[in-house]
Amino acid sequence: AQSVTQLGSHVSVSEGALVLLRCNYSSSVPPYLFWYVQYPNQGLQLLLKYTSAATLVKGINGFEAEFKKSETSFHLTKPSAHMSDAAEYFCAVSDLTGNQFYFGTGTSLTVIP
Amino acid sequence: DAGVIQSPRHEVTEMGQEVTLRCKPISGHNSLFWYRQTMMRGLELLIYFNNNVPIDDSGMPEDRFSAKMPNASFSTLKIQPSEPRDSAVYFCASSLRLAGSYNEQFFGPGTRLTVL
Repeated sequence: AQSVTQLGSHVSVSEGALVLLRCNYSSSVPPYLFWYVQYPNQGLQLLLKYTSAATLVKGINGFEAEFKKSETSFHLTKPSAHMSDAAEYFCAVSDLTGNQFYFGTGTSLTVIP
Repeated sequence: DAGVIQSPRHEVTEMGQEVTLRCKPISGHNSLFWYRQTMMRGLELLIYFNNNVPIDDSGMPEDRFSAKMPNASFSTLKIQPSEPRDSAVYFCASSLRLAGSYNEQFFGPGTRLTVL
């Protein structure tokens, strides 16, 4: 069985500060891992994905995430927050077929000017 | 590509009425997923189809909910009768399932359902 846990349902950072959104996964097999972003009143958009290639994955809008097997983590980071980064972020894990997607409960990011 | 298309974008109805949500997946995709998003429960997978066949409907809340996929380019999620607790945003997503490869899901814009 697979699952993801997102620590912190709400995160606030100042504009220009480091963004760190935490995600830990549970999986009995090497998983595929994803970060999605949801802007207000919109659907989910893929930020980045890990599919057993490089452990450091770069995504859109300056975001990146590092797969750490020893810590079962896939935390999302961005060196400098921008006001436009304010959104809901979801971590997800899938099995190798990708048919079973398990989403975390989401983290709402607020960027303070 | 136009992406996943959902209609209507907003639906307001009264308790007891039938509601039908529609989804057109990305052309060529062979898997389709229905999700429900609420503040209380977050994002929940309701049902998914592979090649138009329902594979897992364990997330469907109760018999009032039903989903169909008559062909590769169309799916419906029906609620009959609707109840206020069904109020949520319903998302449709599609993906291309290939043996041995990951399958990124592409989401539609969602249908915001309000049951009065």
